[in-house]
Amino acid sequence: DVKVTQSSRYLVKRTGEKVFLECVQDMDHENMFWYRQDPGLGLRLIYFSYDVKMKEKGDIPEGYSVSREKKERFSLILESASTNQTSMYLCASSPGQWNSPLHFGNGTRLTVT
Amino acid sequence: AQTVTQSQPEMSVQEAETVTLSCTYDTSESDYYLFWYKQPPSRQMILVIRQEAYKQQNATENRFSVNFQKAAKSFSLKISDSQLGDAAMYFCAYRGRDNAGNMLTFGGGTRLMVKP
Repeated sequence: DVKVTQSSRYLVKRTGEKVFLECVQDMDHENMFWYRQDPGLGLRLIYFSYDVKMKEKGDIPEGYSVSREKKERFSLILESASTNQTSMYLCASSPGQWNSPLHFGNGTRLTVT
Repeated sequence: AQTVTQSQPEMSVQEAETVTLSCTYDTSESDYYLFWYKQPPSRQMILVIRQEAYKQQNATENRFSVNFQKAAKSFSLKISDSQLGDAAMYFCAYRGRDNAGNMLTFGGGTRLMVKP
């Protein structure tokens, strides 16, 4: 079974802090994704990566950056956390084929106070 | 841009009965896949079922089946013999061949409650 592991299940940070959310997958998948989940809005794509050191903006990249130095690891960075970034963050991975389903981690619930 | 709409924020069903969750989408692509994901309280998103746009036959996985109406751009999920463990958030999602980066576009979700 594919395993996607997010480093933290719950995180509380202060406004202005730099925040790192880490995600690791163990199936050698080419694609990795960061989504944000908010009630009524479903999942919205922040950034994705289709290869090491490659990244593309999703629908809501503002206030976020990402890093993919190794194939198995995809990090989401909040340069200066704000209260409107309080949300659930989901990492996912998939093989390179366009019709492959995504495999998700358990999510990180981030609260910015 | 593709959009996915789930018009039912909440649904409830009696245990052992059947429930249908609705999903509509908008796209100009001809080659795409549609998915239903389940997110229980544990938060782990689980793939329930998927449908290829070129296949006329509706996909089925045990108690889960879809009603795929390509012309109407509709993709509903039917859960038969509902069980307490089916209680979860359900998300409809779209992935197109021409989508930049092959990303998945999600609907807003439907919370399903199962009454014993």
